[in-house]
Amino acid sequence: SQKIEQNSEALNIQEGKTATLTCNYTNYSPAYLQWYRQDPGRGPVFLLLIRENEKEKRKERLKVTFDTTLKQSLFHITASQPADSATYLCSRGADSWGKLQFGAGTQVVVTP
Amino acid sequence: DAGVTQSPTHLIKTRGQQVTLRCSPKSGHDTVSWYQQALGQGPQFIFQYYEEEERQRGNFPDRFSGHQFPNYSSELNVNALLLGDSALYLCASSPATGGGTGELFFGEGSRLTVL
Repeated sequence: SQKIEQNSEALNIQEGKTATLTCNYTNYSPAYLQWYRQDPGRGPVFLLLIRENEKEKRKERLKVTFDTTLKQSLFHITASQPADSATYLCSRGADSWGKLQFGAGTQVVVTP
Repeated sequence: DAGVTQSPTHLIKTRGQQVTLRCSPKSGHDTVSWYQQALGQGPQFIFQYYEEEERQRGNFPDRFSGHQFPNYSSELNVNALLLGDSALYLCASSPATGGGTGELFFGEGSRLTVL
């Protein structure tokens, strides 16, 4: 089956450091991957989309890479802040716009 | 510009009952997708509505049904509730073509608890 997997263990990181999250996929080659942020009890908020022909995408302190050989995407938060504490979800497009397959998410905790 | 709005925010039902959840998409969006998110899990795709028809469906039983109205708002109905239906139900809207980015705009969700 087609799977998308994220590290379920929470990532605890000190303010100012870089947080790196991993998203692995198996048994398919997605045309694009999306990353979302989700705060407790809230809906996910879109952060970045990276297509299969793009190696890297940046938005402010966020950076996403897409390695089709390793079947992996890395999500980096540089100069992390306590306000970055949230769960980050990786997702792949499935068949059409609007139908996404999500990983379980990785919780990030940034301490001052 | 109002984003995606969902109602109710919280509700409690008992096994065997039926529930209806409502969603108004972001202005300018005509496609609505519904997701179920169990605690500690990522959202799971239930189905998608476009032009008042179910366009795609995930791996959910027929107890889950929906509707889209001419104003693009949508309802999710769940019949014969099971304990396992307890979850956060998320509505997401998008333009039909994905708006170029495929970004989904999510509402804050409806938290359903089945006792």
